[in-house]
Amino acid sequence: QVRLEQWGAGLLKPSETLSLTCAVHGESFRPFFWTWVRQAPGQGLEWIGEIDHTGDHTYNASLESRLTLSVDTSNWRFSLELTSVSAADSAMYFCARRHRSGRFDPWGQGVLVAVSS
Amino acid sequence: DIQMTQSPSSLSASVGDRVTIRCRTSETVRNYLNWYQQKPGKAPTLLISSASGLQTGVPSRFSGSGSETDFTLTISGLQPEDPATYYCQQSYKTPFAFGPGTKVDLK
Repeated sequence: QVRLEQWGAGLLKPSETLSLTCAVHGESFRPFFWTWVRQAPGQGLEWIGEIDHTGDHTYNASLESRLTLSVDTSNWRFSLELTSVSAADSAMYFCARRHRSGRFDPWGQGVLVAVSS
Repeated sequence: DIQMTQSPSSLSASVGDRVTIRCRTSETVRNYLNWYQQKPGKAPTLLISSASGLQTGVPSRFSGSGSETDFTLTISGLQPEDPATYYCQQSYKTPFAFGPGTKVDLK
């Protein structure tokens, strides 16, 4: 059964770069899409973007200028980099697998990121 | 972008009550509508996909219906483990938006 395990730095200063990685256990990269979602404290869910095994990606336009998603197929991992972070980027970040039908399942455990000077 | 609304934003119900949550989209998403349950401090879990497809392992008291722009999640007999926040999500086109959530607790 597929499982997603994610990690990354949890405390950043403004203007730094947020880096997160999600490892896929028990499933091939194909034919799925690998996605990131975030949730600010007490708020709803925001879709960040997705990438497939070829590196083809789609970003949320609100983050596109600061966002890079990448994939490492040899190690079955995918990563997120968000530059120039501010307090508005403080959130729980989740990775998830998107099926071609559109559903997100399963999800990683989440990484809490706080941006503070 | 497709806008999502959910109603109500919160509700209190007793064990055994029938609970209905509504989700509306600003334009058609056909049946590309999914429902998730999220408990505090946890990742969301998928309950219903493609508007009405119950996921394996999800209790049959959960059901989904609707199409185009109007969707419903029903819990037919609320159980003590069901208090959570429920989100709808459209997967018809990017950006894949989520509804603002409906918080369900026990009366």
